Amino acid sequence: GAVVSQHPSRVICKSGTSVKIECRSLDFQATTMFWYRQFPKQSLMLMATSNEGSKATYEQGVEKDKFLINHASLTLSTLTVTSAHPEDSSFYICSARTGQGYEQYFGPGTRLTVT
Amino acid sequence: AQKITQTQPGMFVQEKEAVTLDCTYDTSDPSYGLFWYKQPSSGEMIFLIYQGSYDQQNATEGRYSLNFQKARKSANLVISASQLGDSAMYFCAMERSGGFKTIFGAGTRLFVKA
Repeated sequence: GAVVSQHPSRVICKSGTSVKIECRSLDFQATTMFWYRQFPKQSLMLMATSNEGSKATYEQGVEKDKFLINHASLTLSTLTVTSAHPEDSSFYICSARTGQGYEQYFGPGTRLTVT
Repeated sequence: AQKITQTQPGMFVQEKEAVTLDCTYDTSDPSYGLFWYKQPSSGEMIFLIYQGSYDQQNATEGRYSLNFQKARKSANLVISASQLGDSAMYFCAMERSGGFKTIFGAGTRLFVKA
């Protein structure tokens, strides 16, 4: 089956620094990738949609200058949390689609802790 | 606007019994898809089952079945013969056909008792 990886799985960073999270589709080409954020005991909230080679589309209320998304190839999207603050601590999950069918393949998630 | 509602924050079920997790949705789109995902404590999202709005029959996948009642806008998940490994968070989700954007319900935490 289709596999999506995320790296790192866990990261701790200091307040004010930036951290990059990678999302890779390992055995298929992903025309569209999604980034979600999940706070403890809450649901997944879509942050942005990224298509290869074009700018990401951010959901309302998501700061595009803070959460930089790059979808450089059909197998890689990155989320960079800039100038991280403790309130950015969360579980970040990416997903990928091939553009055909309804399947959405999720990565295992990245737990970010900002101290 | 689209909305997914899961009214059961937590559910308990005895091992080997069946359990129904409720999900209602709201959309004005004629074509849409409904999903159920399982999220164990590890955090990964595991796809369980899919129902298209035009599908005539209820979807089934092994021990999972989706009770789709279009007129009532409900898409309940039925898990038969519950197992201890079914203990997890369960999310109902919906997307507009072709729109690709998925919205999730608040989730239901299922506890399976031995």
